[in-house]
Amino acid sequence: NAGVTQTPKFQVLKTGQSMTLQCAQDMNHEYMSWYRQDPGMGLRLIHYSVGAGITDQGEVPNGYNVSRSTTEDFPLRLLSAAPSQTSVYFCASSNPLDSRASFGPGTRLLVL
Amino acid sequence: SQELEQSPQSLIVQEGKNLTINCTSSKTLYGLYWYKQKYGEGLIFLMMLQKGGEEKSHEKITAKLDEKKQQSSLHITASQPSHAGIYLCGAVGPNDYKLSFGAGTTVTVRA
Repeated sequence: NAGVTQTPKFQVLKTGQSMTLQCAQDMNHEYMSWYRQDPGMGLRLIHYSVGAGITDQGEVPNGYNVSRSTTEDFPLRLLSAAPSQTSVYFCASSNPLDSRASFGPGTRLLVL
Repeated sequence: SQELEQSPQSLIVQEGKNLTINCTSSKTLYGLYWYKQKYGEGLIFLMMLQKGGEEKSHEKITAKLDEKKQQSSLHITASQPSHAGIYLCGAVGPNDYKLSFGAGTTVTVRA
């Protein structure tokens, strides 16, 4: 079991560029989420999904898009990167019968 | 969404000393989770508490849930350097699968 995997680990973007952060899990979890972590602010929920084809906004969704075409994958898209999106991004997955979330190792994003 | 306030924001303890971290919710707690994060790494699940008065322990870490006070505490006994890191509490609502987190408490253990 690889658990939750995220790619890339590090990324530098220029303002206005687009990119996709990849997240995959092999635990057959129904729920998947994206968080961003900034100093002093803990983890803030960006988008989440309760199953394939179902997504919803979290606390800070602006500037990000998600889709969930399969149970395993939940990519996060930045349409036009801004310096305010410099952060560490974590993907998480969980089973509805046991809400403990498993987290990926994170993606560090720097937007110049 | 659930708003969680953690205290203290950071603390430094001497190795071998005890420490306590608190997590207070703005709403009724239906599930409280404690995670640990080492610098530059992902979150590791520590414990989940679901019932008022529930107390769980793992090695030298004990967590309690006071449902009436909408509060949870995490206590580490005889701290070791391996206990250093950021501790985060998380919570879900009654019909809400979204897991919200506190800002975290940074623990430093001095040898």
